[in-house]
Amino acid sequence: SAVISQKPSRDICQRGTSLTIQCQVDSQVTMMFWYRQQPGQSLTLIATANQGSEATYESGFVIDKFPISRPNLTFSTLTVSNMSPEDSSIYLCSVDSPEETQYFGPGTRLLVL
Amino acid sequence: KQEVTQIPAALSVPEGENLVLNCSFTDSAIYNLQWFRQDPGKGLTSLLLIQSSQREQTSGRLNASLDKSSGRSTLYIAASQPGDSATYLCAVSLRGANSKLTFGKGITLSVRP
Repeated sequence: SAVISQKPSRDICQRGTSLTIQCQVDSQVTMMFWYRQQPGQSLTLIATANQGSEATYESGFVIDKFPISRPNLTFSTLTVSNMSPEDSSIYLCSVDSPEETQYFGPGTRLLVL
Repeated sequence: KQEVTQIPAALSVPEGENLVLNCSFTDSAIYNLQWFRQDPGKGLTSLLLIQSSQREQTSGRLNASLDKSSGRSTLYIAASQPGDSATYLCAVSLRGANSKLTFGKGITLSVRP
């Protein structure tokens, strides 16, 4: 199984600012995913990040608001731009595996004031 | 659009009880179904993965079944323990291996000593 770390683990941010979340995997993976878990809600996929290509965004999510980088096979970043209180959520990255399950990072807890 | 439902949202049982957690999905053309566990303040841990061609999977005290035609899955936990207290989420994949997961909101389980 893959070991995934995320930074920061939590943050409190002011409205209008941006936060970049990092996701690091201990092995090379093809696909990385970014999810959002709003309070009391299920996980929702934001985008899929493949190395060497632009991220693929799900309906309702746009690159200007959630720019993603994928510089290599073990690392990705998600930026939450121009934040508002509605962006307060847990943000999780996950990776694919040969076993076809997805492994998840511990999440980044974001509170926007 | 695939929708995944988990009812009830919360469940409290005494230690030692056998219990069943339910999951239903609207589009039966799934590729696989996964059950995850989420502990407070932590990420997701994969428990069981069932391929669309399979009927059940077992791991220790856990058994997951899949009835694709009726759009249902159950997670059976035998001889529950306080350490089983967590939120259990089911998720389905439509398109293929390591593709987008659609999650239910989860069932928060509390096992009382």
